[in-house]
Amino acid sequence: DIQLTQSPSFLSASVGDRVTITCRASQGIDTSLAWYQQKPGTAPKLLIHEASTLQSGVPSRFSGSGSGTDFTLTISSLQPEDFATYYCQQLNYYRTFGQGTKVDIK
Amino acid sequence: QVQLRQWGAGLLKPSGTLSLSCAVYGGSFSSHYWTWIRQPPGKGLEWIGEINHAGSSNYNPSLKSRVTVSVATSKNQFSLKLTSVTAADTAVYYCARNVRDSYAMDVWGPGTTVTVS
Repeated sequence: DIQLTQSPSFLSASVGDRVTITCRASQGIDTSLAWYQQKPGTAPKLLIHEASTLQSGVPSRFSGSGSGTDFTLTISSLQPEDFATYYCQQLNYYRTFGQGTKVDIK
Repeated sequence: QVQLRQWGAGLLKPSGTLSLSCAVYGGSFSSHYWTWIRQPPGKGLEWIGEINHAGSSNYNPSLKSRVTVSVATSKNQFSLKLTSVTAADTAVYYCARNVRDSYAMDVWGPGTTVTVS
C-alpha cells in the first residue's frame, strides 16, 4: 500500500496569507496526485490533478507542484471561502487519501 | 452539466449487506471510470472502488473481499454492494466520476449516510 502523510494536520491562517500544505508519499508516484477541498456537510471538490493541473473553474490562486514522493498545494492569497479541509490523493497504485489538513481562521 | 444522484438504504443491521446505486445525468457514461468513496463521521476519505462502462473494476485491497461494484450501462447507473457490515462501515458514501484519462474525481454525488446499528 502507498501511504500519504499530509503536514500540517491543522493550520491557522488569516485572509491574504500564503498557505502551503505538503503531502509525502511512502513510495514514488510520479505525478499521480490530486488535491481536494472539502467544507463541512458537502462532498469534496477537485482542485488539482496530475500534481499540477488546475481543474476547470478553480481559481488561479490554487497551485500544485511536485513529483515522486513530495508534493505541495499552495494557496497564494487565502480568501474567506478557502477555510476548509484539504486532502491529497495518490492515483498511482489503487487510490489512497492523506489524512487531511484543516485550514482555520486565525 | 453532469449530475449524480444516489440512493440506498440508510440504516442497516450488523452482518447485513449495504446496497447503494448512483445514476448519471449528462455527459458520456462510457468515457469515464466511476468511483465509490466513503467518509466515517468526523474522519477522512476512504476510496472503495471504481468501474468503467465495460465492467473493468478496481477495489481497495482492504475491502476487496466484501465489495462488489457493478455497472448498468444502458441505464447510466453503477452500484455498490458491501457485505457483512459492522459499525465500522458507518459513513457517508459518495459516488463520483473520474476525470477522463485520470483517476481523480471531478464530479461527486451529494452523499448518502449509512448507519450500521
